Amino acid sequence: GAGVSQSPSNKVTEKGKDVELRCDPISGHTALYWYRQSLGQGLEFLIYFQGNSAPDKSGLPSDRFSAERTGGSVSTLTIQRTQQEDSAVYLCASSLAGGGLPDTQYFGPGTRLTVL
Amino acid sequence: LAKTTQPISMDSYEGQEVNITCSHNNIATNDYITWYQQFPSQGPRFIIQGYKTKVTNEVASLFIPADRKSSTLSLPRVSLSDTAVYYCLVDSNYQLIWGAGTKLIIKP
Repeated sequence: GAGVSQSPSNKVTEKGKDVELRCDPISGHTALYWYRQSLGQGLEFLIYFQGNSAPDKSGLPSDRFSAERTGGSVSTLTIQRTQQEDSAVYLCASSLAGGGLPDTQYFGPGTRLTVL
Repeated sequence: LAKTTQPISMDSYEGQEVNITCSHNNIATNDYITWYQQFPSQGPRFIIQGYKTKVTNEVASLFIPADRKSSTLSLPRVSLSDTAVYYCLVDSNYQLIWGAGTKLIIKP
């Protein structure tokens, strides 16, 4: 079946502009994660959705970052008033179950964001 | 809260066995350890998962000693295509704690 897809694959924007990044998880997966990965660095957790529960936003770096997940499926990560330090690859992952259970995350290919 | 530590990089040669160790303090009895592999310009992908003793699948083995303060990913007979970054992940008390990743370079 289809894996996790993300769009766009690349996004170049100017400082101060807003951007929206999209994630289509694997059908039936109830958990969805967003991560940020700067060049040559590890994964930085941003936000986690599990079913109808309130999302875990503990990893969002500032109030310029927000995310929503509509209908328990597609998710959009929005970055307002982008800054150059926001440049990174944004990865989305989905899984069958949420935290606390042994689980496997399936990652999308990521969106490479460049803020000029 | 658990914290994970991995070597930043490792080198090996084709055909060798490679062992990458992840240290994790304060890990609870039921916390799972998962290893992921990441190639350039791709998202990480699952390799193996376990919470005690030894787990083996078609690509790797995972060793977790009794004290569970570390875990070791073992890759048998590596090839050039195993060059990648390897991450350990501890699923601890509803928190996901990622290691910083180990860059493995396989030489001919």
